[in-house]
Amino acid sequence: AQTVTQSQPEMSVQEAETVTLSCTYDTSENNYYLFWYKQPPSRQMILVIRQEAYKQQNATENRFSVNFQKAAKSFSLKISDSQLGDTAMYFCAFVKVTGNQFYFGTGTSLTVIP
Amino acid sequence: EAGVAQSPRYKIIEKRQSVAFWCNPISGHATLYWYQQILGQGPKLLIQFQNNGVVDDSQLPKDRFSAERLKGVDSTLKIQPAKLEDSAVYLCASREVPGVAYNEQFFGPGTRLTVL
Repeated sequence: AQTVTQSQPEMSVQEAETVTLSCTYDTSENNYYLFWYKQPPSRQMILVIRQEAYKQQNATENRFSVNFQKAAKSFSLKISDSQLGDTAMYFCAFVKVTGNQFYFGTGTSLTVIP
Repeated sequence: EAGVAQSPRYKIIEKRQSVAFWCNPISGHATLYWYQQILGQGPKLLIQFQNNGVVDDSQLPKDRFSAERLKGVDSTLKIQPAKLEDSAVYLCASREVPGVAYNEQFFGPGTRLTVL
C-alpha cells in the first residue's frame, strides 16, 4: 500500500519570503507521479505542480518548484516570493503510473503573513 | 472548458435524515471520484468510478452510503441515515484518461455537509 506523509500541519511565512513544505511517501513502485495540490479557504482544490518519478530534473512552475529525492522518497515544495494568495492548505499526492487512485497526505496549512 | 460541478454547495440536516449530492464531471472524463474531507484532514476516497462501473468502493460505508453514476456521466452520492460524524466536505473529482497517471484530477467546489 502507498502512504503519503506531511509532517508539518501548519506553517507560516512572511510575504515575499521563501518557504518549503515537506512530503514523504512510501511505495514499492518504481514508476509513479507526484502532485502538489492547493486548497484555498472555501475554494476548490487546484493543481500546483507535478513530478514524474522517472525524471531526475525537478519540476518548476513559476514561483513553485519541487525537490524530488527518489531514493529518500521525499517530495518537497518550495514557494518563492510568497504572496498573500498562497495562503491555503497544500496536499501532496501520489499515483502509480499504472493506477488511477490518488493517495493524499494530511495537508499543510500555510499562512502568508503581510 | 467547464469545470467539475457540484450541488448543493451547503447542506444542513439533522441526524438520521437523508441527503444526496450531485456531481457533473468535466465532459469526456472517464474517471470520477467521491472523497470525504473532514476539517483539517486530507481527502479520503469513498468511491471511484470508471465510466459507469465501480472501480473501488472499499472505504465506502455501505450500510449508509450509496453512489451511482448513470450513463457514465453524472453521479450522485447518498447518505441514509446521516450520522453526526458524516459532517464533512464531500468532494467530487474527475480525470480524463484512465491509466494515464500524468493526468491530474480536477476537483469540484465541494458540498459542505453539517449534521446536527
